[in-house]
Amino acid sequence: KAGVTQTPRYLIKTRGQQVTLSCSPISGHRSVSWYQQTPGQGLQFLFEYFSETQRNKGNFPGRFSGRQFSNSRSEMNVSTLELGDSALYLCASSLTGTAYNEQFFGPGTRLTVL
Amino acid sequence: GESVGLHLPTLSVQEGDNSIINCAYSNSASDYFIWYKQESGKGPQFIIDIRSNMDKRQGQRVTVLLNKTVKHLSLQIAATQPGDSAVYFCAVRGGSGGYNKLIFGAGTRLAVHP
Repeated sequence: KAGVTQTPRYLIKTRGQQVTLSCSPISGHRSVSWYQQTPGQGLQFLFEYFSETQRNKGNFPGRFSGRQFSNSRSEMNVSTLELGDSALYLCASSLTGTAYNEQFFGPGTRLTVL
Repeated sequence: GESVGLHLPTLSVQEGDNSIINCAYSNSASDYFIWYKQESGKGPQFIIDIRSNMDKRQGQRVTVLLNKTVKHLSLQIAATQPGDSAVYFCAVRGGSGGYNKLIFGAGTRLAVHP
């Protein structure tokens, strides 16, 4: 069974641009969560989607948004990029996203904002 | 608010020794706790979990202990091997953040020396 895949793996953008990251969950998984990982703040929850609906949201500005498609694939978008958005963005999928469902993480997309 | 902290940023051990990584959490309503291992260039990998109705759970070479009274959990790795070298995160799920919002600790780097 293929794991969680994220594309692209690496991305370089400049301030003010926008970026879209993609995540394909494990087949059959309906919940997709996104996390931002930085050396200073560690791993922080961005949002979670389940059946095309945002179910949970972290404390990030509105520049960070996401969506989920009917095949459970998810995208996240960051508009008006800032230097501080440079981070590893991780996607995690789980079967139903209930309390005791294990989350499987992808390898992440490394975003660098210049 | 919710927070998860780690006592030691770096832990160096000799191959074959036992390792103990500690973690403190703040939300007494948290009901599910997970340890992840992250190797360089990869996403976090599930190691072991424990629910709040338990105080100990064992896996292969790993044991997680949960002390709800002092809001502390630990990960014990027996007979540590070079392949165990990685960053270890504790994560807390549940409480006010919703079931699928993981709150991660800062991480502890485990360095195993031959």
